[in-house]
Formats: sequence, structure tokens, C-alpha cells
Amino acid sequence: DTAVSQTPKYLVTQMGNDKSIKCEQNLGHDTMYWYKQDSKKFLKIMFSYNNKELIINETVPNRFSPKSPDKAHLNLHINSLELGDSAVYFCASSQDASGNSYEQYFGPGTRLTVT
Amino acid sequence: KQEVTQIPAALSVPEGENLVLNCSFTDSAIYNLQWFRQDPGKGLTSLLLIQSSQREQTSGRLNASLDKSSGRSTLYIAASQPGDSATYLCADEDKLVFGAGTILRVKS
Repeated sequence: DTAVSQTPKYLVTQMGNDKSIKCEQNLGHDTMYWYKQDSKKFLKIMFSYNNKELIINETVPNRFSPKSPDKAHLNLHINSLELGDSAVYFCASSQDASGNSYEQYFGPGTRLTVT
Repeated sequence: KQEVTQIPAALSVPEGENLVLNCSFTDSAIYNLQWFRQDPGKGLTSLLLIQSSQREQTSGRLNASLDKSSGRSTLYIAASQPGDSATYLCADEDKLVFGAGTILRVKS
């Protein structure tokens, strides 16, 4: 059973399009995250949700909008895609950002290529 | 603002060697530090989490230590194997800041 899953695994699209990436975790965790890993493999936090509420929103263009329909899902919607959005996007989850366990579990990543 | 640095950026060792990966951070107010491995084209796999009340954690051939006063964490890998080849990242779990990683290659 996959703990943190993401779809799609690969996404190739043209500039200006709108796309979504889905994430689901079956670990019963309270907190979920979106990270961006650029071509230099540097991983940066984008958003964090705790029990469906946004708790971290780093300096990310407002073309990126996360949505959490329930605490097991955190989707990422991107409007008006730009070349610089090409990267690997990782979803992760942890037990509770304000509780005892911060250990994060990552999804397999979604490789987004904007042409 | 927390900055996490990992040295070396890349390391190549023969099989069987013991090795140490370094992680340093600028803000010593660190409560939880996690080590991950990332295989090419894959997500991150958690290796060890050192919580604020701990100074080290062990799992099999891996041992991670945390010295907050010096702003350092080390990941020790004993008797390295080719299957250990991957990128190893450390992260300040509270501030969600990651190092750039150390690319490890273990030659058979």
C-alpha cells in the first residue's frame, strides 16, 4: 500500500496552460506539504496544511493554489504555467506539525515540464 | 533564517568503507533534524529523525548524531555497500529547510 501517492507522475504541458497535481496520503497524518525541487536538486517548501488549514505559505507566485478537500488530500493547482515552473513537485505528510512527530513521508514526485 | 549546508557535495568510496556525511545549520534553535535518501528519479525516503531530546539515532548500519551547540549533524554509514549509492539530504524539520544533499557513490 502506497503511503503518499501523487498523480500524475509526469506532466508535459505548454506555457499558459492550467494544470493540477493530486496528492493523497493513507497514513492518517494531520499535516501535508508541497515542495518544489529544481534542476539543481534543491528542495524548497511551498505550502503546508494542517487539518485542511493553510499554515505555511512561502513566497510562491499566486498562480499556485493548494486545495485540501480533506486531511488525506492536498492538491496543487497551477495557473498560467511558465517555463520556470518546470521542476519536480513533491508532496509529503507528517503526523502533526504541532504534535510529537515531525517525521515526513514523501510521495514519488511529479515531474512537470513546461514547453 | 535557517540555512542548511551539506559537505561534501559528492563522495565516492570503495565498498566496505565507513563514511561520514556532514550537515551544518546556522540557527542552533533546531528541534528535529531528519536525514533522507533520494534515489535518482524517486522521492525521499526517511532514514532517521533526531528529536530535540535526543543526541543520536541508529538504524542498522546508519547512525546520525545531532550537536546543536556546534550547529552540526553527522550521518555515519558503516560498511558501505553499492546499494547505499544515492543522494543524502538533511533537513530542519521545524523550519522545513533542506540541505542541497550529498551524492554518494559506493564502488564495488
